[in-house]
Amino acid sequence: KAGVTQTPRYLIKTRGQQVTLSCSPISGHRSVSWYQQTPGQGLQFLFEYFSETQRNKGNFPGRFSGRQFSNSRSEMNVSTLELGDSALYLCASSLPHVETQYFGPGTRLLVL
Amino acid sequence: AQSVTQLGSHVSVSEGALVLLRCNYSSSVPPYLFWYVQYPNQGLQLLLKYTTGATLVKGINGFEAEFKKSETSFHLTKPSAHMSDAAEYFCAVSERAGNMLTFGGGTRLMVKP
Repeated sequence: KAGVTQTPRYLIKTRGQQVTLSCSPISGHRSVSWYQQTPGQGLQFLFEYFSETQRNKGNFPGRFSGRQFSNSRSEMNVSTLELGDSALYLCASSLPHVETQYFGPGTRLLVL
Repeated sequence: AQSVTQLGSHVSVSEGALVLLRCNYSSSVPPYLFWYVQYPNQGLQLLLKYTTGATLVKGINGFEAEFKKSETSFHLTKPSAHMSDAAEYFCAVSERAGNMLTFGGGTRLMVKP
């Protein structure tokens, strides 16, 4: 079974631009979560989607948003990019009501 | 609110030596506990997890961890380190299935030949 896939793997943007990252979960997984990983703040939860609905949201500004499609694929969007948004963005998927989350390889975003 | 503390951001061991990575958590409800490993330029790979039942859990690559409720700890061990174990290790807690994971700050394990 294919794992969690994320595209693109690497991205360079400039301040003020916006960016969209994509995540395809493992087949059959309906829950998708997003995390931001930075050297200073570590791994932080962004949001979780289940059946196209946002179930949980972390403590991030409104510039960070996401959505989930009927096939469980998810996208996250960051508008008005700031230098501090440079990070590895990780997506994880899980089966409903199952505790284990499986992570993708991440998208490394560099904001210049 | 839940939180995780990993004692020691860097741990260095010799090849063949015992690996011990420490994790303490706080949670208002019985937690689910996880250890993940991250190799350079990769995502997180699940090593092992504790949900309910037996407090000593075995994972992949010879790692194991013991849930000690009285000490609010979930330390990760491996009897004999291999060079391939060099990576960053993250302890995480979740308060219910499918909920968000709260991670510790990570411990970078270095293995000396």
